[in-house]
Amino acid sequence: AAGVIQSPRHLIKEKRETATLKCYPIPRHDTVYWYQQGPGQDPQFLISFYEKMQSDKGSIPDRFSAQQFSDYHSELNMSSLELGDSALYFCASSLEVKYRGVSSYNEQFFGPGTRLTVL
Amino acid sequence: RKEVEQDPGPFNVPEGATVAFNCTYSNSASQSFFWYRQDCRKEPKLLMSVYSSGNEDGRFTAQLNRASQYISLLIRDSKLSDSATYLCVVNGWSNFNKFYFGSGTKLNVKP
Repeated sequence: AAGVIQSPRHLIKEKRETATLKCYPIPRHDTVYWYQQGPGQDPQFLISFYEKMQSDKGSIPDRFSAQQFSDYHSELNMSSLELGDSALYFCASSLEVKYRGVSSYNEQFFGPGTRLTVL
Repeated sequence: RKEVEQDPGPFNVPEGATVAFNCTYSNSASQSFFWYRQDCRKEPKLLMSVYSSGNEDGRFTAQLNRASQYISLLIRDSKLSDSATYLCVVNGWSNFNKFYFGSGTKLNVKP
């Protein structure tokens, strides 16, 4: 079965540079999430998109922005990179299941992540 | 206080042991519950969704206690390959598309 695809898998940048991470959700999934995970930490929610509209915002710095395109892929743009931005960045996708018009269930599936190193 | 709380461990157990993890959540309106497994430097992988009636998948059993607002994961006959961090994830009280993560429980299965 198709999984979530992320690119690149590894990225090395200098301080103050910019980076763009890409995510291709599982086909037909309607929601995309971005997470940042530092060493020894649980994934921290950054931002999510439902049907190409931003649906929720977490601890995403103002230096970061994201969008979801018409083909449902999403990009996380990171500017003025700092040493503390070094982390694993995961994208996840889910499909909301409705029963009689009421949201009843969804499961979230993660991509393999992009390891960003800022030097 | 975090919305989802887990004992970080580590739980160090011998092969063949039975081990149980608990996870508590703060909002009684939560709708969906999951256990994920995460290996070092890898993505979280869905281990089990947790249903109201409880569910079992081979050596793994998940239970939901809505009254006490906790979910549990029981692993029987532990294997070396079970060594990982187990993340408890809850969603759906204010925004069905938002997921709340526990900090994870680390399991080390020893020979």
